[in-house]
Amino acid sequence: EAGVAQSPRYKIIEKRQSVAFWCNPISGHATLYWYQQILGQGPKLLIQFQNNGVVDDSQLPKDRFSAERLKGVDSTLKIQPAKLEDSAVYLCASSSGMGQGLMGANVLTFGAGSRLTVL
Amino acid sequence: AQSVTQPDIHITVSEGASLELRCNYSYGATPYLFWYVQSPGQGLQLLLKYFSGDTLVQGIKGFEAEFKRSQSSFNLRKPSVHWSDAAEYFCAVGLFSGGYNKLIFGAGTRLAVHP
Repeated sequence: EAGVAQSPRYKIIEKRQSVAFWCNPISGHATLYWYQQILGQGPKLLIQFQNNGVVDDSQLPKDRFSAERLKGVDSTLKIQPAKLEDSAVYLCASSSGMGQGLMGANVLTFGAGSRLTVL
Repeated sequence: AQSVTQPDIHITVSEGASLELRCNYSYGATPYLFWYVQSPGQGLQLLLKYFSGDTLVQGIKGFEAEFKRSQSSFNLRKPSVHWSDAAEYFCAVGLFSGGYNKLIFGAGTRLAVHP
């Protein structure tokens, strides 16, 4: 099966500019996640979708970050305006979700990530 | 609050030597536990997972991990390390709460392998 696709792989912007990242999950996966991975740290969950609904966005900086998953398939994560501390790798992941049973629901497959540098 | 601790930030081993990466978790119930590996410029690849049953689980690339409930640990081991194992390793706990699941990651351990 095809993996999780993300684009762009790399992006360099200046602070206060905007940026958008795109993710296409594994076909049929109901749950989609965006994680932020700052250099030297583990991934931190930003937002989680179940189909096209948000189930957890408690750690998303909503004053500057937004995400959507129209039609319950692919997703975009936007940052506007960007700050220096947003420099990180943004990882998208998907899982089969509750409908496939609990064990399958907990196995996440990750994309290669989008590396953002804010100057 | 749920958390995952990986005490070792960096580990260096010689090729052919054995390896153990430590992971401790804090969670009220029996967790789902995972180890992922991340090579430079790559996403995270699942090495192995523990859901229930046998506490010693086998994964890909010759890795294994042992769940010890009494120590709240899930350490990753490999008997003989290869140069290609140099990467960053993340332990994660899977939570199922309120009808939804998510992963919480540790900070990672970066493994260097000397020839």
